[in-house]
Amino acid sequence: QKEVEQNSGPLSVPEGAIASLNCTYSDRGSQSFFWYRQYSGKSPELIMFIYSNGDKEDGRFTAQLNKASQYVSLLIRDSQPSDSATYLCAARSGTYKYIFGTGTRLKVLA
Amino acid sequence: SQTIHQWPATLVQPVGSPLSLECTVEGTSNPNLYWYRQAAGRGLQLLFYSVGIGQISSEVPQNLSASRPQDRQFILSSKKLLLSDSGFYLCAWRGSDRVLTEAFFGQGTRLTVV
Repeated sequence: QKEVEQNSGPLSVPEGAIASLNCTYSDRGSQSFFWYRQYSGKSPELIMFIYSNGDKEDGRFTAQLNKASQYVSLLIRDSQPSDSATYLCAARSGTYKYIFGTGTRLKVLA
Repeated sequence: SQTIHQWPATLVQPVGSPLSLECTVEGTSNPNLYWYRQAAGRGLQLLFYSVGIGQISSEVPQNLSASRPQDRQFILSSKKLLLSDSGFYLCAWRGSDRVLTEAFFGQGTRLTVV
């Protein structure tokens, strides 16, 4: 069973701090990784994707991938209360399937 | 630009009743289409995916079925709903172009079986 694992949280950070979200995956053949943000009662919204080892930055968000350790992370700089949501990590397994973690709930405290 | 439509947004159905949820995608051809379910407080479970008309892959054996009668239409069905079918059902698409590998979600259908 191919899996993506995340700490369910909640992860609480003060406003303006860096939030660090992590996930690990079991399928060593996975090549593409994704972070989605899901507000309560809403559908997931794509934030970032990463395919290569290292860091990828987009605005306040940085995705990090370490294929050797099978580890993906998302850093959110200057966290805002509007960033409070559940963050889902996903790995593409094979050509078509996306395997999701259970999500980490982030709370940004004003 | 591409958009995905999913309806209805909410649905309350009695146990044993049939189900039909519809999803359509605009602005793209031959998308890969997906049905996921998210139970309360849990992750996204892949139910079905389709790479073309009439081509359905089932991930979880259950009383649900899926069909793709047209290129950009994906339907999730059940003949008789169970209480355990309650959840948030999400349709997603991605382009068939190998370069575009991100999946995008519709707004979801919250199903409550009573």
